[in-house]
Amino acid sequence: DAGVIQSPRHEVTEMGQEVTLRCKPISGHNSLFWYRQTMMRGLELLIYFNNNVPIDDSGMPEDRFSAKMPNASFSTLKIQPSEPRDSAVYFCASSSRGGQGAHSNQPQHFGDGTRLSIL
Amino acid sequence: AQTVTQSQPEMSVQEAETVTLSCTYDTSESDYYLFWYKQPPSRQMILVIRQEAYKQQNATENRFSVNFQKAAKSFSLKISDSQLGDAAMYFCAYRSAWGAQKLVFGQGTRLTINP
Repeated sequence: DAGVIQSPRHEVTEMGQEVTLRCKPISGHNSLFWYRQTMMRGLELLIYFNNNVPIDDSGMPEDRFSAKMPNASFSTLKIQPSEPRDSAVYFCASSSRGGQGAHSNQPQHFGDGTRLSIL
Repeated sequence: AQTVTQSQPEMSVQEAETVTLSCTYDTSESDYYLFWYKQPPSRQMILVIRQEAYKQQNATENRFSVNFQKAAKSFSLKISDSQLGDAAMYFCAYRSAWGAQKLVFGQGTRLTINP
């Protein structure tokens, strides 16, 4: 049973370049989450989707960040233009849940993360 | 907003001994879930154990168990018979049972196992 798949595993790029991180959730999961991990701020949610629709993007730091989920099996997180302070590990996670407002006890399953370094 | 606090940045334990990691949280909700995740050097986030707030019985998974004190808003993790493979960062996390699905994490505790 494949878990959450993220690519690339590592990304090193220069400031100002566009960065695209990719995520394939577990088949059948209808919730997808993007988290960022830094030494200073720990693990924090950037955005999450239910049934491909963005529900909460309040954690997206600024307009340079954007996320899409064009279908149930794929999501991207894009940074344009990138800055050195964006350097972090970015995790994608997925879970299954019920309909709108439904009680959900399903845990989130994480991918292996993408370590992003902006020079 | 909910917050999670792990007051022990680092802990160490002798192999085969027992160690307890502390976690407290703040919420006005009555229905929620609590989790412990393990992050080894490989940086995977691995679910260790979870607890439903409406259950009084403490969750147990093999050598891992929790002490859930709802009134005190405390959720500690006990690791029995510690093994070298338990060395990792451990994160406590909170999630609402209704509405917002995001996990709110503590700052983590780095656990070292001494052979």
